[in-house]
Amino acid sequence: ILNVEQSPQSLHVQEGDSTNFTCSFPSSNFYALHWYRWETAKSPEALFVMTLNGDEKKKGRISATLNTKEGYSYLYIKGSQPEDSATYLCASPYNTDKLIFGTGTRLQVFP
Amino acid sequence: NAGVTQTPKFRVLKTGQSMTLLCAQDMNHEYMYWYRQDPGMGLRLIHYSVGEGTTAKGEVPDGYNVSRLKKQNFLLGLESAAPSQTSVYFCASSYLPVYSGNTIYFGEGSWLTVV
Repeated sequence: ILNVEQSPQSLHVQEGDSTNFTCSFPSSNFYALHWYRWETAKSPEALFVMTLNGDEKKKGRISATLNTKEGYSYLYIKGSQPEDSATYLCASPYNTDKLIFGTGTRLQVFP
Repeated sequence: NAGVTQTPKFRVLKTGQSMTLLCAQDMNHEYMYWYRQDPGMGLRLIHYSVGEGTTAKGEVPDGYNVSRLKKQNFLLGLESAAPSQTSVYFCASSYLPVYSGNTIYFGEGSWLTVV
């Protein structure tokens, strides 16, 4: 089974700070890289899905990049707000049908 | 538009009891998944289905069974619950396979405690 790793495990930042986290995955047999945002007691929600090396996606203050050759993706949050507090999960398909998740990065933004 | 609905939301079971978690989706999705979430472990795939009448094992299938008799429903069964199955269970679905770049849509989770 694929090993998807995320770092750091948790992050505490002040409101207004910019931050980033990393997702590492095996670069061989790559299909896609997913990012999800998960607030406690809610459903995980999709942020981005990237399939091509060099892909960059942006949604408001959140953006992501993908490097399939070296097997990593970065998620950036510009000017963090308290409502950005959540766990951010990345995932990559193993074979074609199994989406394997990392353990997540828990972000807390303090006012 | 309900999306992915899980029932029940909360349940306490005694060791050895059986139960079934129901997942229903109204998006006409082919693919459905059951995950469990434990502290520090992230989401782990239990079983999944690529269409009506099909099921397949995920990362942690032991102690669980599944059925997909209708396209819109995916049932997760625990035949003899154990304390190690205390977890939050998430159902998810997608229209296309995950390798295609298609996102999956999650239900709100079912909290199960086995005492």
